Parts: sequence; C-alpha cells; structure tokens
Amino acid sequence: AQSVTQLGSHVSVSEGALVLLRCNYSSSVPPYLFWYVQYPNQGLQLLLKYTSAATLVKGINGFEAEFKKSETSFHLTKPSAHMSDAAEYFCAVSFSGGYQKVTFGIGTKLQVIP
Amino acid sequence: EPEVTQTPSHQVTQMGQEVILRCVPISNHLYFYWYRQILGQKVEFLVSFYNNEISEKSEIFDDQFSVERPDGSNFTLKIRSTKLEDSAMYFCASNGANVLTFGAGSRLTVL
Repeated sequence: AQSVTQLGSHVSVSEGALVLLRCNYSSSVPPYLFWYVQYPNQGLQLLLKYTSAATLVKGINGFEAEFKKSETSFHLTKPSAHMSDAAEYFCAVSFSGGYQKVTFGIGTKLQVIP
Repeated sequence: EPEVTQTPSHQVTQMGQEVILRCVPISNHLYFYWYRQILGQKVEFLVSFYNNEISEKSEIFDDQFSVERPDGSNFTLKIRSTKLEDSAMYFCASNGANVLTFGAGSRLTVL
C-alpha cells in the first residue's frame, strides 16, 4: 500500500528564512508525488507534482521539491519564507500512470514569524 | 483556469437527516473523487468514480454514503442518515493528466 509520512506537524520559520518541509513515501511501484497547500478555510491547491520526469520539480510561489528515490523522500523547500506562506502543507502519493486515488499525509502547519 | 465547483459551502443539519453535497467537476475530466477532512485531521479518501460507477471506496464509505452522476455535469455525494461524526469538510476532486484538482469544499455540521 502507498503512504506518505510528514515529519513535523508544525514548523515555524522566520520571514526570509529557508522553508523545509519533510515528506517520505512508501510505495511498491513508482509513485507520483504531490504537494498541496491549504490556506485557512480554503480548499486544497496543487503546489507541485512529480510524475517521473525531472527529479527536481518547481512549483508555484517559489516552492520546489526534489524526488530522491534512494531516500524515498520528496521534501518541499523554499529559499526565503514570506508571511503569505503560512498555511498547511500536505504531501500526497498516488500510483504512477493512472487515475488512482491520492493518499495524503497528515499535513504540516507552517508558521512564518515576522 | 478551470475549476471544480462545490455547493453548498456550508450546511448545518440535524442528526439523522439526509444530506446531498454537489460538485461540478472540470468538464473534460472523467475521474471524480470525494474526500473528507475532519477538523484538525488528515484528508481522507472516500470514493472514486469513473464511467458511472464506483472504481474504489474506502472503509469510511459505508452503506450510509452513495455517489451519483445524475447528469453530464453534476457529481453528488449523499449521506442518508447523518451522524455527529460525519461533521467534516468534504472535498470533491476531478482528475486530468494525473493531477487531482480540488474544489473549495463543503463544510457539513451535524447537530
């Protein structure tokens, strides 16, 4: 079965500091991996996706993530945090090649301190 | 940009009542999903739907739940007899190019 583990349910960074949100996956077949963001009282917005092409994936709002098969990781980073980045971030996995369901991690709430 | 539309945005109901949540997926998408998120918890898969039938469902999706695509645009989730623990945000999604696009959600409050 596929799953993702997000390390750290809450992460605090100072404005302008590096953002690093960790995600490790478990999948018996090549995975598709995603990061979604949820702002307060809103839906889930896709930040970026890995679908077996380039291992370094760039998304919206300056975020990027790198697929590392050897580490089974797909960590999300942003060089410089902005106040507007405060939100909850969900890592998610599905099986490659299809319209399978997406399985979400528990989420990491990012706090940005001015 | 195409989007998934959900109605109502918030519904309050009494325990035991039937609720129908509605979704309009992106028009050229063929796969549809319902997820739920209980307050403060993770986003959980309920059901996926393709070609007018359920393709996969989770343990949560018991006999109290049903889905339907009554016409060419709407995709509905029905809860027959709501329980207190059904209070959650329900998200509809549709799949195009292996990416799920989610609606803004319907918040269900069961009293």
